[in-house]
Formats: sequence, structure tokens, C-alpha cells
Amino acid sequence: QVQLQQSGPGLVKPSQTLSLTCAISGDSVSSNSATWHWIRQSPSRGLEWLGRTYYRSKWYNDYAVSVTGRITINPDTSKNQFSLQLNSVTPEDTAVYYCARYRYFDYWGQGTLVTVSS
Amino acid sequence: DIVMTQSPDSLAVSLGERATINCRSSQTVLYSSNNKNCLAWYQQKPGQPPKLLIYWASTRESGVPDRFSGSGSGTDFTLTISSLQAEDVAVYYCQQYYSTPYTFGQGTKLEIK
Repeated sequence: QVQLQQSGPGLVKPSQTLSLTCAISGDSVSSNSATWHWIRQSPSRGLEWLGRTYYRSKWYNDYAVSVTGRITINPDTSKNQFSLQLNSVTPEDTAVYYCARYRYFDYWGQGTLVTVSS
Repeated sequence: DIVMTQSPDSLAVSLGERATINCRSSQTVLYSSNNKNCLAWYQQKPGQPPKLLIYWASTRESGVPDRFSGSGSGTDFTLTISSLQAEDVAVYYCQQYYSTPYTFGQGTKLEIK
């Protein structure tokens, strides 16, 4: 049974960096068949895919254009987890953030409400 | 980007009756290499992440009741709940995974009439 456990702060100040981690159990971040994603949900933007990381003999990343230049998704093989960093946040980045597995998202983290406010 | 449009935005159905939700993509999501449609359906209840119901447009996820079914191909898809139960009250989303950025519909809120 795959489980994804999210951690990270729920409050971030404007212009600072949002950082979240998704710990994986029951699968491997280095799997040659899985892909690992970050998705956010807000009333104004709905469900928005942010990006993914995956391993196919080497590491790959894809990011949404809307956050390109501000986003980094990194795998951590030693801890079997992956992380999200979103720089220069504004109140428009306030959302519930989810991690998820695979391209149709069969497993999700529990969600983290991140509020961007001073 | 592929735009996903659901209809209706909200729906009220009597218990035991059929509920039908539609989803249209702005371009085909039929993957030619395996002749499968890259379309998934999710159910979301308040305070929970979305739950995968259907993938490849018509394959039911393990553990999902058989009253849920998906159909369609190319750009037009349907989620059908054959006999609505009280626990089916939720928001339903479609999602394409044909190409990144993966995109979702705006959601359909299903209620009991």
C-alpha cells in the first residue's frame, strides 16, 4: 500500500520560499515506472498541476509554465521522498498543496494548506 | 495547454437515480501508441484529497463501486453513476494526462435532490 506523507509550514511570508516535502512509503522515488507530482488547489485556480520528477536511467523534471522560474522539485533518494520549493511567493500562491503519484494520480498526500501572508 | 470543460457545474439527482457528468477536452487525448484515452475521473469530498475513480477513460480503480462507469473517446467523455447513493455527494473532476501540463476540469458539484 503506497502512502504519501506531506510536511512543511502552513504559513509563508510574501517574497519568501514555500518548501514542502512528500515522504513515500510502499514505493520508491527512484522507480522506473512511477512519476511524482505536486498539485495545488485554490478557489480561484481550481486544481492546478505544478510539476513532476521521475527517474528513467536519469532524473527528469517538468514544470508548469505558470510557475517556471520559481519552482524546483527535487528527489531525495536517501530518504525516499521528494520536495517542492516555490520562490518569491505572493498571496496568489495561497492554496492547498498536494503531492501525488503517477500520471493519473492514484495516490495523494493528505494536503497542506499554505497561506502566504505577512 | 489542453483545456478541460465539464458540464454541468452542479447537478442534483434523487437517490437511486442516474447521474451523468460530461467532460470535453480542447484536443484529442487518445494516445495512438496504445489506442487508449488519457482521461481520469476523481471524486473529492470536503477536507480530503481527490480520489481516483476511473483512468484510461473507462477503467475503474480497484475498490471503486461498479455503479461508477466512464465512457467516451477522443474529446468527449462521460462519468455515470448508475444509482446515486448518499455517500456519492461530492465534487467530481476530470483530468487529462495526454500531455503536460496535466489539466483538470473545473469540477461538477453533485447533490441529492
